[in-house]
Amino acid sequence: QVQLVQSGSELRKPGASVKVSCKASGYTFTTNAMNWVRQAPGQGPEWMGWINTDTGKPMYAQGFTGRFVFSLDTSVSTAYLQITSLRAEDTAIYYCARDLSSGWFDLWGQGTQVTVSS
Amino acid sequence: DIQMTQSPSSVSASVGDTVTITCRASQGISSWLAWFQQKPGQAPKLLIYAASNLQSGVPSRFSGSGSGTDFTLTISSLQPEDFATYYCQQAHNFPYTFGQGTKLEIK
Repeated sequence: QVQLVQSGSELRKPGASVKVSCKASGYTFTTNAMNWVRQAPGQGPEWMGWINTDTGKPMYAQGFTGRFVFSLDTSVSTAYLQITSLRAEDTAIYYCARDLSSGWFDLWGQGTQVTVSS
Repeated sequence: DIQMTQSPSSVSASVGDTVTITCRASQGISSWLAWFQQKPGQAPKLLIYAASNLQSGVPSRFSGSGSGTDFTLTISSLQPEDFATYYCQQAHNFPYTFGQGTKLEIK
Protein backbone atom coordinates (compact mmCIF):
# COMPACT_ATOMS: atom_id res chain seq x y z
CA GLN A 1 0.00 0.00 0.00
CA VAL A 2 1.38 3.37 -1.04
CA GLN A 3 1.42 5.60 2.04
CA LEU A 4 3.27 8.05 4.21
CA VAL A 5 3.06 7.44 7.95
CA GLN A 6 4.17 10.19 10.31
CA SER A 7 5.19 10.05 13.93
CA GLY A 8 2.79 10.93 16.69
CA SER A 9 1.83 14.17 18.43
CA GLU A 10 4.50 16.07 20.32
CA LEU A 11 4.30 18.48 23.26
CA ARG A 12 7.38 20.59 23.90
CA LYS A 13 8.35 23.59 25.99
CA PRO A 14 9.59 26.79 24.37
CA GLY A 15 13.27 26.52 23.47
CA ALA A 16 13.21 22.75 23.08
CA SER A 17 13.59 20.76 19.83
CA VAL A 18 11.43 18.22 18.06
CA LYS A 19 12.00 15.74 15.24
CA VAL A 20 9.09 14.54 13.13
CA SER A 21 9.42 11.45 10.96
CA CYS A 22 7.65 10.50 7.74
CA LYS A 23 8.02 6.88 6.64
CA ALA A 24 7.21 6.00 3.05
CA SER A 25 6.06 2.61 1.85
CA GLY A 26 4.70 1.06 -1.33
CA TYR A 27 6.91 2.98 -3.75
CA THR A 28 10.58 3.72 -4.42
CA PHE A 29 11.41 6.42 -1.88
CA THR A 30 14.16 8.09 -3.90
CA THR A 31 12.00 8.59 -6.99
CA ASN A 32 10.00 11.53 -5.66
CA ALA A 33 10.95 14.65 -3.73
CA MET A 34 9.39 15.13 -0.32
CA ASN A 35 7.74 18.35 0.73
CA TRP A 36 6.96 19.65 4.21
CA VAL A 37 3.83 21.70 4.84
CA ARG A 38 2.73 23.51 7.98
CA GLN A 39 -0.86 24.22 8.92
CA ALA A 40 -1.37 26.49 11.90
CA PRO A 41 -4.66 26.30 13.81
CA GLY A 42 -7.54 27.51 11.65
CA GLN A 43 -5.21 28.48 8.80
CA GLY A 44 -4.51 27.22 5.31
CA PRO A 45 -1.49 25.11 4.44
CA GLU A 46 1.92 26.77 4.13
CA TRP A 47 4.74 25.22 2.13
CA MET A 48 7.96 24.97 4.14
CA GLY A 49 10.22 23.53 1.47
CA TRP A 50 11.30 20.20 0.06
CA ILE A 51 14.14 17.73 -0.01
CA ASN A 52 15.50 15.84 -2.98
CA THR A 53 15.30 12.25 -1.80
CA ASP A 54 17.91 11.15 -4.33
CA THR A 55 20.65 13.67 -3.46
CA GLY A 56 19.53 14.74 0.01
CA LYS A 57 19.64 18.40 -0.99
CA PRO A 58 17.03 20.48 0.82
CA MET A 59 15.37 23.73 -0.19
CA TYR A 60 13.73 25.93 2.43
CA ALA A 61 11.08 28.56 1.94
CA GLN A 62 11.75 31.96 3.40
CA GLY A 63 10.68 31.90 7.00
CA PHE A 64 11.82 28.33 7.44
CA THR A 65 15.57 28.80 7.39
CA GLY A 66 17.85 28.38 10.37
CA ARG A 67 15.67 26.53 12.89
CA PHE A 68 14.18 24.02 10.45
CA VAL A 69 16.15 21.08 9.06
CA PHE A 70 15.02 18.46 6.53
CA SER A 71 16.91 15.18 6.46
CA LEU A 72 16.61 11.62 5.19
CA ASP A 73 17.44 8.04 6.05
CA THR A 74 17.00 6.31 2.72
CA SER A 75 17.81 2.91 4.26
CA VAL A 76 14.42 3.03 5.99
CA SER A 77 12.61 5.24 3.43
CA THR A 78 12.09 7.99 5.98
CA ALA A 79 12.20 11.77 5.84
CA TYR A 80 12.63 13.92 8.91
CA LEU A 81 11.78 17.45 9.95
CA GLN A 82 13.66 18.85 12.92
CA ILE A 83 12.70 22.14 14.52
CA THR A 84 14.98 23.73 17.11
CA SER A 85 14.46 26.61 19.54
CA LEU A 86 10.73 26.03 19.47
CA ARG A 87 8.37 28.96 19.92
CA ALA A 88 4.67 29.11 20.68
CA GLU A 89 4.01 30.15 17.08
CA ASP A 90 5.45 26.85 15.86
CA THR A 91 2.32 25.16 17.22
CA ALA A 92 0.77 23.57 14.14
CA ILE A 93 0.16 20.36 12.25
CA TYR A 94 3.13 19.40 10.12
CA TYR A 95 2.60 17.29 7.01
CA CYS A 96 4.98 15.53 4.68
CA ALA A 97 3.75 15.36 1.08
CA ARG A 98 5.19 13.45 -1.85
CA ASP A 99 5.91 15.44 -4.97
CA LEU A 100 4.25 13.69 -7.94
CA SER A 101 6.27 15.97 -10.18
CA SER A 102 6.91 19.69 -10.43
CA GLY A 103 5.02 20.68 -7.30
CA TRP A 104 1.96 18.41 -7.37
CA PHE A 105 1.50 16.93 -3.90
CA ASP A 106 -0.24 13.64 -4.57
CA LEU A 107 0.37 11.71 -1.35
CA TRP A 108 0.26 13.13 2.17
CA GLY A 109 1.11 11.84 5.60
CA GLN A 110 -1.60 11.97 8.23
CA GLY A 111 0.02 14.97 9.90
CA THR A 112 1.88 15.44 13.18
CA GLN A 113 0.55 17.86 15.77
CA VAL A 114 3.36 19.82 17.42
CA THR A 115 2.32 21.87 20.42
CA VAL A 116 4.70 24.33 22.06
CA SER A 117 3.60 25.41 25.49
CA SER A 118 5.16 26.11 28.85
CA ASP B 1 5.81 35.53 -3.54
CA ILE B 2 2.72 34.78 -5.61
CA GLN B 3 -0.48 35.50 -3.69
CA MET B 4 -3.44 33.20 -4.25
CA THR B 5 -6.87 34.64 -3.51
CA GLN B 6 -9.93 32.42 -3.35
CA SER B 7 -13.56 33.43 -3.49
CA PRO B 8 -15.90 33.04 -1.86
CA SER B 9 -14.41 32.27 1.56
CA SER B 10 -17.49 30.18 2.31
CA VAL B 11 -20.47 28.93 0.37
CA SER B 12 -23.64 27.07 1.32
CA ALA B 13 -25.19 24.59 -1.07
CA SER B 14 -27.48 21.59 -1.14
CA VAL B 15 -26.89 18.02 -2.22
CA GLY B 16 -27.30 17.89 -5.99
CA ASP B 17 -26.29 21.51 -6.58
CA THR B 18 -23.39 22.69 -8.72
CA VAL B 19 -20.80 24.90 -7.03
CA THR B 20 -17.98 26.97 -8.50
CA ILE B 21 -14.98 28.22 -6.54
CA THR B 22 -12.59 30.81 -7.96
CA CYS B 23 -8.87 31.26 -7.42
CA ARG B 24 -6.89 34.26 -8.63
CA ALA B 25 -3.10 34.48 -8.76
CA SER B 26 -1.28 37.77 -8.21
CA GLN B 27 0.73 37.12 -11.38
CA GLY B 28 0.46 34.75 -14.32
CA ILE B 29 1.12 31.12 -13.47
CA SER B 30 0.18 29.50 -16.80
CA SER B 31 -1.51 26.22 -15.79
CA TRP B 32 0.58 25.59 -12.69
CA LEU B 33 -2.36 25.25 -10.36
CA ALA B 34 -3.69 22.48 -8.14
CA TRP B 35 -6.88 22.09 -6.11
CA PHE B 36 -7.13 20.24 -2.79
CA GLN B 37 -9.99 19.10 -0.60
CA GLN B 38 -9.53 18.98 3.17
CA LYS B 39 -11.93 17.53 5.71
CA PRO B 40 -11.62 18.17 9.47
CA GLY B 41 -8.84 16.15 11.03
CA GLN B 42 -7.52 14.96 7.67
CA ALA B 43 -4.67 15.87 5.37
CA PRO B 44 -5.40 17.75 2.16
CA LYS B 45 -6.27 15.55 -0.81
CA LEU B 46 -5.18 16.36 -4.35
CA LEU B 47 -8.17 16.72 -6.70
CA ILE B 48 -6.88 18.57 -9.74
CA TYR B 49 -3.37 19.37 -10.99
CA ALA B 50 -2.12 21.42 -13.92
CA ALA B 51 -5.37 23.41 -13.69
CA SER B 52 -7.60 20.81 -15.32
CA ASN B 53 -6.15 17.33 -14.87
CA LEU B 54 -8.20 15.07 -12.63
CA GLN B 55 -6.11 13.14 -10.15
CA SER B 56 -6.51 9.37 -10.31
CA GLY B 57 -9.45 8.14 -8.24
CA VAL B 58 -11.17 11.53 -7.98
CA PRO B 59 -14.83 11.51 -9.14
CA SER B 60 -15.55 13.12 -12.49
CA ARG B 61 -18.01 15.58 -10.89
CA PHE B 62 -14.90 17.59 -9.99
CA SER B 63 -13.45 19.71 -12.79
CA GLY B 64 -10.96 22.54 -13.07
CA SER B 65 -10.35 25.21 -15.66
CA GLY B 66 -8.40 28.38 -16.28
CA SER B 67 -4.92 29.59 -17.06
CA GLY B 68 -2.83 32.66 -16.44
CA THR B 69 -4.28 34.32 -13.35
CA ASP B 70 -7.88 33.09 -13.10
CA PHE B 71 -8.98 29.55 -12.27
CA THR B 72 -12.15 27.75 -11.26
CA LEU B 73 -13.02 24.52 -9.52
CA THR B 74 -16.50 23.23 -10.32
CA ILE B 75 -18.25 20.51 -8.38
CA SER B 76 -21.32 19.16 -10.11
CA SER B 77 -24.13 17.25 -8.45
CA LEU B 78 -22.82 17.79 -4.92
CA GLN B 79 -22.64 14.71 -2.72
CA PRO B 80 -22.72 14.68 1.10
CA GLU B 81 -19.02 13.75 1.20
CA ASP B 82 -18.08 16.89 -0.78
CA PHE B 83 -18.74 19.26 2.10
CA ALA B 84 -15.24 20.30 3.10
CA THR B 85 -12.70 23.10 2.69
CA TYR B 86 -11.05 23.58 -0.70
CA TYR B 87 -7.65 25.14 -1.37
CA CYS B 88 -5.87 26.17 -4.53
CA GLN B 89 -2.07 26.03 -4.77
CA GLN B 90 0.35 27.42 -7.34
CA ALA B 91 3.39 25.44 -8.45
CA HIS B 92 4.76 28.01 -10.91
CA ASN B 93 7.36 29.58 -8.63
CA PHE B 94 9.05 28.90 -5.33
CA PRO B 95 7.76 29.30 -2.74
CA TYR B 96 4.67 27.28 -3.57
CA THR B 97 1.70 29.11 -2.11
CA PHE B 98 -1.87 28.21 -1.19
CA GLY B 99 -5.08 30.15 -1.18
CA GLN B 100 -6.80 30.91 2.11
CA GLY B 101 -9.49 28.30 1.52
CA THR B 102 -13.19 28.06 0.67
CA LYS B 103 -15.45 26.28 3.12
CA LEU B 104 -18.31 24.45 1.44
CA GLU B 105 -21.18 23.99 3.86
CA ILE B 106 -24.51 22.23 3.69
CA LYS B 107 -27.49 24.54 3.24
